[in-house]
Amino acid sequence: AQKVTQAQTEISVVEKEDVTLDCVYETRDTTYYLFWYKQPPSGELVFLIRRNSFDEQNEISGRYSWNFQKSTSSFNFTITASQVVDSAVYFCALSEPNTGNQFYFGTGTSLTVIP
Amino acid sequence: DTEVTQTPKHLVMGMTNKKSLKCEQHMGHRAMYWYKQKAKKPPELMFVYSYEKLSINESVPSRFSPECPNSSLLNLHLHALQPEDSALYLCASSQDGTSVYNEQFFGPGTRLTVL
Repeated sequence: AQKVTQAQTEISVVEKEDVTLDCVYETRDTTYYLFWYKQPPSGELVFLIRRNSFDEQNEISGRYSWNFQKSTSSFNFTITASQVVDSAVYFCALSEPNTGNQFYFGTGTSLTVIP
Repeated sequence: DTEVTQTPKHLVMGMTNKKSLKCEQHMGHRAMYWYKQKAKKPPELMFVYSYEKLSINESVPSRFSPECPNSSLLNLHLHALQPEDSALYLCASSQDGTSVYNEQFFGPGTRLTVL
């Protein structure tokens, strides 16, 4: 079974629009960590955020914000006022204590911001 | 220095060739990883080294042989590869290999083509 689901395969928005990328996860552990990574066309995965299962506070970093809701097992990512440089593939990932330091990646959402 | 470097950036090899991919980090991280990523797919974990010892081998064919000469270096030796092994090979590192909360820092990858 897929532990991390990113149902949106591809999204296109016009520059300056807001966009939300969905991430739904599945785990039986009470302690776990969630991550978001950005992969621009150059290929390198860039770490964006880590959230532990005990911290449900939403986080904002500039134009980026994250909404963590344990009740729905979701960890959604919103980009406000999107820019062309935001075009990339975004991966959500889960790590659990009983699997060591392995990341379970979602299938990724490809975001295209049109100028 | 928060960088993971990988060489070469691109590699084209025949099925009878022997080549090596190299990865280096100077962040004092004690866990290093090899991932394989096919187009439009998430990264797939291949190997994990924790404190310079192989801790995870995800049933990778023996034509891929990892090596960790020291805590800063990670190699992937390639021999008798198949065309389906063509992919982006990503190296990553994290503070240690036992703590589930550590984010992984990724290198830019080596784009491998097997003819």
